[in-house]
Amino acid sequence: GAVVSQHPSWVICKSGTSVKIECRSLDFQATTMFWYRQFPKQSLMLMATSNEGSKATYEQGVEKDKFLINHASLTLSTLTVTSAHPEDSSFYICSAGRTSESSEQFFGPGTRLTVL
Amino acid sequence: GQNIDQPTEMTATEGAIVQINCTYQTSGFNGLFWYQQHAGEAPTFLSYNVLDGLEEKGRFSSFLSRSKGYSYLLLKELQMKDSASYLCAVMDSNYQLIWGAGTKLIIKP
Repeated sequence: GAVVSQHPSWVICKSGTSVKIECRSLDFQATTMFWYRQFPKQSLMLMATSNEGSKATYEQGVEKDKFLINHASLTLSTLTVTSAHPEDSSFYICSAGRTSESSEQFFGPGTRLTVL
Repeated sequence: GQNIDQPTEMTATEGAIVQINCTYQTSGFNGLFWYQQHAGEAPTFLSYNVLDGLEEKGRFSSFLSRSKGYSYLLLKELQMKDSASYLCAVMDSNYQLIWGAGTKLIIKP
Protein backbone atom coordinates (compact mmCIF):
# COMPACT_ATOMS: atom_id res chain seq x y z
CA GLY A 1 0.00 0.00 0.00
CA ALA A 2 0.82 3.71 0.02
CA VAL A 3 2.07 3.98 -3.54
CA VAL A 4 2.70 7.34 -5.14
CA SER A 5 3.26 7.71 -8.88
CA GLN A 6 4.50 10.58 -10.99
CA HIS A 7 4.02 11.27 -14.66
CA PRO A 8 5.98 11.79 -16.77
CA SER A 9 9.20 10.18 -15.58
CA TRP A 10 11.29 12.18 -18.00
CA VAL A 11 10.54 15.34 -19.91
CA ILE A 12 12.66 17.37 -22.26
CA CYS A 13 11.29 20.68 -23.44
CA LYS A 14 12.31 23.87 -25.15
CA SER A 15 12.93 27.03 -23.22
CA GLY A 16 9.76 29.08 -22.82
CA THR A 17 7.33 26.18 -22.84
CA SER A 18 5.26 24.97 -19.90
CA VAL A 19 5.47 21.50 -18.43
CA LYS A 20 2.92 19.75 -16.24
CA ILE A 21 3.93 17.02 -13.80
CA GLU A 22 1.30 14.83 -12.17
CA CYS A 23 1.53 13.22 -8.77
CA ARG A 24 -0.98 10.53 -7.85
CA SER A 25 -1.61 8.54 -4.69
CA LEU A 26 -2.70 5.19 -6.06
CA ASP A 27 -4.17 3.39 -3.09
CA PHE A 28 -4.91 6.01 -0.48
CA GLN A 29 -6.35 9.45 -0.17
CA ALA A 30 -3.76 12.13 0.26
CA THR A 31 -4.85 15.04 2.39
CA THR A 32 -1.56 16.77 1.79
CA MET A 33 0.95 16.63 -1.04
CA PHE A 34 4.44 18.06 -1.04
CA TRP A 35 6.54 19.10 -4.00
CA TYR A 36 10.33 18.96 -3.78
CA ARG A 37 13.20 19.80 -6.04
CA GLN A 38 16.47 17.93 -5.87
CA PHE A 39 19.85 18.71 -7.32
CA PRO A 40 22.38 15.86 -7.66
CA LYS A 41 23.39 14.36 -4.31
CA GLN A 42 21.75 17.17 -2.43
CA SER A 43 18.91 17.38 0.02
CA LEU A 44 15.39 17.68 -1.19
CA MET A 45 14.29 21.30 -1.23
CA LEU A 46 10.66 21.73 -0.31
CA MET A 47 8.95 23.95 -2.85
CA ALA A 48 5.37 23.91 -1.67
CA THR A 49 2.75 22.12 0.37
CA SER A 50 -0.72 21.63 -1.02
CA ASN A 51 -3.89 20.58 0.71
CA GLU A 52 -6.79 19.26 -1.29
CA GLY A 53 -9.20 21.98 -2.26
CA SER A 54 -7.13 24.89 -1.05
CA LYS A 55 -4.28 27.02 -2.32
CA ALA A 56 -0.76 25.72 -2.00
CA THR A 57 1.65 27.15 0.55
CA TYR A 58 4.93 28.05 -1.09
CA GLU A 59 8.31 28.12 0.59
CA GLN A 60 10.26 31.33 0.66
CA GLY A 61 12.01 32.00 -2.63
CA VAL A 62 9.71 29.80 -4.72
CA GLU A 63 7.76 31.77 -7.31
CA LYS A 64 4.12 30.74 -7.12
CA ASP A 65 3.35 32.21 -10.54
CA LYS A 66 6.10 30.12 -12.10
CA PHE A 67 5.40 26.86 -10.29
CA LEU A 68 1.65 26.42 -10.38
CA ILE A 69 0.29 23.76 -8.06
CA ASN A 70 -3.18 22.32 -8.21
CA HIS A 71 -4.51 19.75 -5.76
CA ALA A 72 -7.96 19.21 -7.17
CA SER A 73 -8.67 15.83 -5.66
CA LEU A 74 -7.51 13.62 -2.81
CA THR A 75 -5.45 11.51 -5.21
CA LEU A 76 -4.00 14.01 -7.65
CA SER A 77 -1.78 17.04 -7.49
CA THR A 78 -0.13 18.74 -10.44
CA LEU A 79 2.90 20.97 -10.69
CA THR A 80 3.14 23.15 -13.79
CA VAL A 81 6.46 24.79 -14.55
CA THR A 82 5.50 27.81 -16.63
CA SER A 83 7.84 29.36 -19.19
CA ALA A 84 10.56 26.90 -18.29
CA HIS A 85 14.20 27.91 -18.59
CA PRO A 86 17.39 25.83 -18.47
CA GLU A 87 17.92 26.72 -14.81
CA ASP A 88 14.64 24.95 -14.04
CA SER A 89 16.19 21.66 -15.14
CA SER A 90 16.10 19.44 -12.09
CA PHE A 91 14.61 16.35 -10.48
CA TYR A 92 11.15 17.08 -9.14
CA ILE A 93 9.79 14.76 -6.46
CA CYS A 94 6.35 14.73 -4.91
CA SER A 95 5.21 13.08 -1.75
CA ALA A 96 1.80 12.46 -0.33
CA GLY A 97 0.56 12.11 3.18
CA ARG A 98 -2.63 10.75 4.65
CA THR A 99 -2.48 13.52 7.22
CA SER A 100 -0.99 16.97 7.31
CA GLU A 101 1.98 15.69 9.33
CA SER A 102 4.99 15.55 7.08
CA SER A 103 6.38 12.59 9.01
CA GLU A 104 3.86 10.36 7.23
CA GLN A 105 4.96 11.04 3.69
CA PHE A 106 5.18 8.56 0.86
CA PHE A 107 7.47 9.63 -1.94
CA GLY A 108 7.02 9.42 -5.69
CA PRO A 109 9.72 8.22 -8.08
CA GLY A 110 10.52 11.69 -9.35
CA THR A 111 10.35 13.48 -12.69
CA ARG A 112 13.52 14.52 -14.45
CA LEU A 113 13.02 17.81 -16.29
CA THR A 114 15.53 19.00 -18.85
CA VAL A 115 14.96 22.38 -20.44
CA LEU A 116 16.94 23.04 -23.59
CA GLY B 1 8.21 -5.72 -8.77
CA GLN B 2 10.47 -3.22 -7.17
CA ASN B 3 10.75 -3.20 -3.43
CA ILE B 4 12.68 -1.53 -0.63
CA ASP B 5 12.51 -2.94 2.89
CA GLN B 6 13.63 -1.26 6.07
CA PRO B 7 12.44 -1.62 9.68
CA THR B 8 9.52 0.54 10.67
CA GLU B 9 10.90 1.66 14.00
CA MET B 10 14.03 1.29 16.11
CA THR B 11 14.95 2.45 19.58
CA ALA B 12 18.47 3.16 20.82
CA THR B 13 20.19 4.81 23.75
CA GLU B 14 22.01 8.12 23.69
CA GLY B 15 25.74 7.56 23.14
CA ALA B 16 25.26 4.11 21.65
CA ILE B 17 25.53 2.83 18.08
CA VAL B 18 22.63 1.84 15.86
CA GLN B 19 22.50 0.17 12.45
CA ILE B 20 19.54 0.67 10.16
CA ASN B 21 19.27 -1.95 7.43
CA CYS B 22 17.81 -1.59 3.97
CA THR B 23 17.29 -4.38 1.43
CA TYR B 24 16.19 -3.75 -2.11
CA GLN B 25 15.00 -5.42 -5.27
CA THR B 26 14.94 -3.06 -8.21
CA SER B 27 15.13 -2.98 -11.98
CA GLY B 28 18.74 -1.98 -12.31
CA PHE B 29 20.78 0.06 -9.91
CA ASN B 30 22.17 3.56 -10.16
CA GLY B 31 22.95 4.22 -6.54
CA LEU B 32 21.44 4.15 -3.08
CA PHE B 33 20.62 7.19 -0.98
CA TRP B 34 20.06 7.67 2.72
CA TYR B 35 18.11 10.68 3.97
CA GLN B 36 17.25 11.93 7.44
CA GLN B 37 13.91 13.54 8.00
CA HIS B 38 12.82 15.34 11.15
CA ALA B 39 9.12 15.83 11.66
CA GLY B 40 7.90 18.88 9.80
CA GLU B 41 11.05 19.24 7.74
CA ALA B 42 12.26 18.19 4.30
CA PRO B 43 14.52 15.14 4.03
CA THR B 44 18.22 15.89 4.41
CA PHE B 45 20.74 14.06 2.25
CA LEU B 46 23.08 11.85 4.29
CA SER B 47 24.88 9.60 1.83
CA TYR B 48 25.07 8.13 -1.63
CA ASN B 49 26.59 4.72 -2.38
CA VAL B 50 27.04 3.34 -5.87
CA LEU B 51 30.03 1.05 -5.31
CA ASP B 52 30.33 -1.73 -2.75
CA GLY B 53 31.86 -0.85 0.55
CA LEU B 54 31.70 1.52 3.45
CA GLU B 55 31.47 5.30 3.16
CA GLU B 56 32.24 7.13 6.37
CA LYS B 57 31.18 10.68 7.06
CA GLY B 58 31.65 11.78 10.63
CA ARG B 59 29.32 9.90 12.98
CA PHE B 60 27.40 8.44 10.05
CA SER B 61 28.56 5.61 7.79
CA SER B 62 26.77 3.85 4.97
CA PHE B 63 27.54 0.43 3.58
CA LEU B 64 26.50 -1.16 0.30
CA SER B 65 26.58 -4.69 -1.08
CA ARG B 66 25.15 -4.72 -4.59
CA SER B 67 25.34 -8.50 -4.90
CA LYS B 68 23.19 -8.88 -1.80
CA GLY B 69 20.89 -5.94 -2.52
CA TYR B 70 21.71 -4.64 0.93
CA SER B 71 22.74 -1.44 2.60
CA TYR B 72 22.96 -0.16 6.13
CA LEU B 73 23.28 3.21 7.77
CA LEU B 74 25.42 3.20 10.91
CA LEU B 75 25.03 5.99 13.43
CA LYS B 76 27.64 6.28 16.17
CA GLU B 77 27.69 8.27 19.42
CA LEU B 78 23.97 8.79 19.19
CA GLN B 79 22.60 12.15 20.20
CA MET B 80 19.03 13.07 21.05
CA LYS B 81 18.87 15.17 17.89
CA ASP B 82 19.36 11.98 15.84
CA SER B 83 15.76 11.06 16.64
CA ALA B 84 14.20 11.19 13.19
CA SER B 85 13.02 9.07 10.30
CA TYR B 86 15.69 7.60 8.06
CA LEU B 87 14.75 6.97 4.45
CA CYS B 88 16.49 4.55 2.10
CA ALA B 89 16.01 5.16 -1.64
CA VAL B 90 17.42 3.37 -4.68
CA MET B 91 17.74 4.88 -8.15
CA ASP B 92 16.81 2.29 -10.73
CA SER B 93 17.94 1.83 -14.32
CA ASN B 94 15.51 4.53 -15.47
CA TYR B 95 16.91 6.94 -12.90
CA GLN B 96 13.70 6.75 -10.91
CA LEU B 97 13.83 6.77 -7.14
CA ILE B 98 12.34 3.80 -5.34
CA TRP B 99 11.69 4.76 -1.74
CA GLY B 100 11.61 2.74 1.43
CA ALA B 101 8.89 3.57 3.92
CA GLY B 102 11.40 4.97 6.36
CA THR B 103 12.67 3.88 9.77
CA LYS B 104 11.63 5.94 12.76
CA LEU B 105 14.56 6.10 15.15
CA ILE B 106 13.80 6.89 18.78
CA ILE B 107 16.72 7.87 20.99
CA LYS B 108 16.31 7.46 24.73
CA PRO B 109 18.47 9.14 27.37
